[in-house]
Amino acid sequence: DADVTQTPRNRITKTGKRIMLECSQTKGHDRMYWYRQDPGLGLQLIYYSFDVKDINKGEISDGYSVSRQAQAKFSLSLESAIPNQTALYFCATSDSGLAGGPLDTQYFGPGTRLTVL
Amino acid sequence: DAKTTQPPSMDCAEGRAANLPCNHSTISGNEYVYWYRQIHSQGPQYIIHGLKNNETNEMASLIITEDRKSSTLILPHATLRDTAVYYCIVRVPYHDSNYQLIWGAGTKLIIKP
Repeated sequence: DADVTQTPRNRITKTGKRIMLECSQTKGHDRMYWYRQDPGLGLQLIYYSFDVKDINKGEISDGYSVSRQAQAKFSLSLESAIPNQTALYFCATSDSGLAGGPLDTQYFGPGTRLTVL
Repeated sequence: DAKTTQPPSMDCAEGRAANLPCNHSTISGNEYVYWYRQIHSQGPQYIIHGLKNNETNEMASLIITEDRKSSTLILPHATLRDTAVYYCIVRVPYHDSNYQLIWGAGTKLIIKP
């Protein structure tokens, strides 16, 4: 969905390096999410943010941190990358105006493929 | 842990209806069933959701059994572009009144000419 963009799309880095993945959205949604996907598996929630002042840990937050710079921007950092963080990373957004109800649908970016050597 | 069970893969002939099953025997009364699909490692795409009643939209139909322990996603006239991994997801309460999507491994659907 072009309304949610992620940069970079691909990144190769070395163990111990600090990496930042960025997500921007033009959908006007207030909720943003970071997910990780390992090969052949479903998505796992890393962090989520319900507004600029709100940050929450997901199920696999260890080794990651996030920053919500503005309503439209949500970045994910790997402070010291390790090889088992090699994965596809997805950003998603949703609209709290519909939250909790059946229309709380998440819209995903194209993903960032991260390789840690 | 995922609350759903899906077959790892399925084939369907182009033009036929594709019926993708999902078991969610531990689902609670207020938990919705969502379906997303993912094409070639792109970002997942929302398809449809339901609670108790059958649902239909421009993409698919969702049939939920009366006991809510299983459901079936139906793509009425499958095309080659429907080849993807289809995820059946239960949306569960998470941190107060918020919700989380619990993803399993999905079903890889291959549409054959």
